[in-house]
Amino acid sequence: DTAVSQTPKYLVTQMGNDKSIKCEQNLGHDTMYWYKQDSKKFLKIMFSYNNKELIINETVPNRFSPKSPDKAHLNLHINSLELGDSAVYFCASSQGLAYDSYEQYFGPGTRLTVT
Amino acid sequence: AQTVTQSQPEMSVQEAETVTLSCTYDTSESDYYLFWYKQPPSRQMILVIRQEAYKQQNATENRFSVNFQKAAKSFSLKISDSQLGDAAMYFCAYRSADFNKFYFGSGTKLNVKP
Repeated sequence: DTAVSQTPKYLVTQMGNDKSIKCEQNLGHDTMYWYKQDSKKFLKIMFSYNNKELIINETVPNRFSPKSPDKAHLNLHINSLELGDSAVYFCASSQGLAYDSYEQYFGPGTRLTVT
Repeated sequence: AQTVTQSQPEMSVQEAETVTLSCTYDTSESDYYLFWYKQPPSRQMILVIRQEAYKQQNATENRFSVNFQKAAKSFSLKISDSQLGDAAMYFCAYRSADFNKFYFGSGTKLNVKP
């Protein structure tokens, strides 16, 4: 059973296009995240939602907009794609409560290539 | 802001031998959590081991153990009896106790030689 799933796994598109990546978790977790992993493997948090509420919004261009229709889903929409957006994007979830050591569970990643 | 540093971009170990991956972090918090994640070529991020800062005892999971030095803000991962399947990128991660935010190090690529 897939715990955290992402679609698509691969996405190739041209500059200027708008694309979305979907994420779903069936773990009953309260918190979901989006990370970007660049070509040097550096993993950086972009957004986090807790019970559909945005709680972390790192310095990310406005072209990136997360949407959480319910706490099991967190989608990432990217407008006007640029070459520098090429990366692997990971969705993750955690139980999300404070004072607990709940780790994050990651999706398989979406490799986005902008040409 | 918290930072996590992995000073070894790449390491190699002979199969069946032991290797230690280093991680240091910077924080002003007293309560937090530390993790090691493994990312094989399949890209999947897999939790290897975790440590609560309030616990003095070092965590162990089968062949994986940590050396947690809170005062030194050091959290190294020791892999014993290395196996070919251990070859991967290893990421050290820090989580605040009072806010659900994770910080990751830049990763260490581990090669296992047969």
